[in-house]
Amino acid sequence: GQQLNQSPQSMFIQEGEDVSMNCTSSSIFNTWLWYKQDPGEGPVLLIALYKAGELTSNGRLTAQFGITRKDSFLNISASIPSDVGIYFCAGRTRSGGSNYKLTFGKGTLLTVNP
Amino acid sequence: DGGITQSPKYLFRKEGQNVTLSCEQNLNHDAMYWYRQDPGQGLRLIYYSQIVNDFQKGDIAEGYSVSREKKESFPLTVTSAQKNPTAFYLCARSREGQGSVSYSNQPQHFGDGTRLSIL
Repeated sequence: GQQLNQSPQSMFIQEGEDVSMNCTSSSIFNTWLWYKQDPGEGPVLLIALYKAGELTSNGRLTAQFGITRKDSFLNISASIPSDVGIYFCAGRTRSGGSNYKLTFGKGTLLTVNP
Repeated sequence: DGGITQSPKYLFRKEGQNVTLSCEQNLNHDAMYWYRQDPGQGLRLIYYSQIVNDFQKGDIAEGYSVSREKKESFPLTVTSAQKNPTAFYLCARSREGQGSVSYSNQPQHFGDGTRLSIL
């Protein structure tokens, strides 16, 4: 099946620093989603991207849909302690009976030191 | 709760026992999904349903069963055939469904999960 390579696997940063993470695939996706998961909770949608080249912001978060449609990145500016969590990318293709299935990356664990 | 509720939060299963995880949504959305999450792994799709009375196998359906008798409910049964059931189970909803062309690209929103453990 399709696979997403998400990197880095984990990050340890100081409060106030900027963060960047990305997902790449050998497959083309027509939607990219970024989620954040806190311990013991379900993932929460941060940003949704629908067009190649699209750059979207949500507060201190910015995400881009790669031109090739095979990658996406997420940036967090001026990190704060509550940014701690696991960040997942997810890509979706539209094909026959699997129209509504997502493929998830394995996540980036972010730790922010105050 | 983001319009989707999972229960219970924690569940314990004995060897050879079937257990059922509940997932309810109150937004009248067509599509619902069940995922399994293991430590250090992404989410893997177990089953999904795009419309009432219909559901499809995902990537890891063996040892699981579902039903979709009502639009708002999509329970997941972990059967005794699932030999490694210990995991965090997540249910999701999305607005899209068969024939809903205008909603064909809506993101999925998740419940807070059920953690299943073996006694």
